[in-house]
Amino acid sequence: NAGVMQNPRHLVRRRGQEARLRCSPMKGHSHVYWYRQLPEEGLKFMVYLQKENIIDESGMPKERFSAEFPKEGPSILRIQQVVRGDSAAYFCASSPDRGRSPLHFGNGTRLTVT
Amino acid sequence: AQKITQTQPGMFVQEKEAVTLDCTYDTSDQSYGLFWYKQPSSGEMIFLIYQGSYDEQNATEGRYSLNFQKARKSANLVISASQLGDSAMYFCAMRGGYNFNKFYFGSGTKLNVKP
Repeated sequence: NAGVMQNPRHLVRRRGQEARLRCSPMKGHSHVYWYRQLPEEGLKFMVYLQKENIIDESGMPKERFSAEFPKEGPSILRIQQVVRGDSAAYFCASSPDRGRSPLHFGNGTRLTVT
Repeated sequence: AQKITQTQPGMFVQEKEAVTLDCTYDTSDQSYGLFWYKQPSSGEMIFLIYQGSYDEQNATEGRYSLNFQKARKSANLVISASQLGDSAMYFCAMRGGYNFNKFYFGSGTKLNVKP
């Protein structure tokens, strides 16, 4: 049973380019969360999605950031016109429900903006 | 608003000794869940243990136990018989909010196990 798959593991972008981060949740999981982590810091909530729906995007910056979780295919976190401050580790996590189940995390995508 | 507080940025423990990592939370929800995760230097997030707000018994998973004191809103992680491989960041997290939408993390505690 494959875990949460994130790709790429490392992504380097120049300022102004677009970054696309992909997340395939565990089989049977329809709830996906995205978090951002700066070095030596905790995880900051960005967005929570269920299939085809954004449930909570209160942690997403208002501009340049968007997320989707289509009916078919992985969840995508998209950052347009990246800036150096976007450099961070981005983690995706999934769960089968909203109850007692923990979030299962992918290994993260380390984004570096040069 | 929900809030998770971990007041120990860093901790040291001698190998084979027990260590307690503190976590307090703030919520107005009646029903919520508390979780602990481990993040080794390799970066992955590993789920350790879960405690539900209505669970009367403290959760245990192998060498991990959760000291849940609901009235004090604390959910401390106890690691018994520390091993060198326990050196990592540890995050306390809480799930709650309307429809259990929210899943918040504390700032973490870096644990170093000394040989």
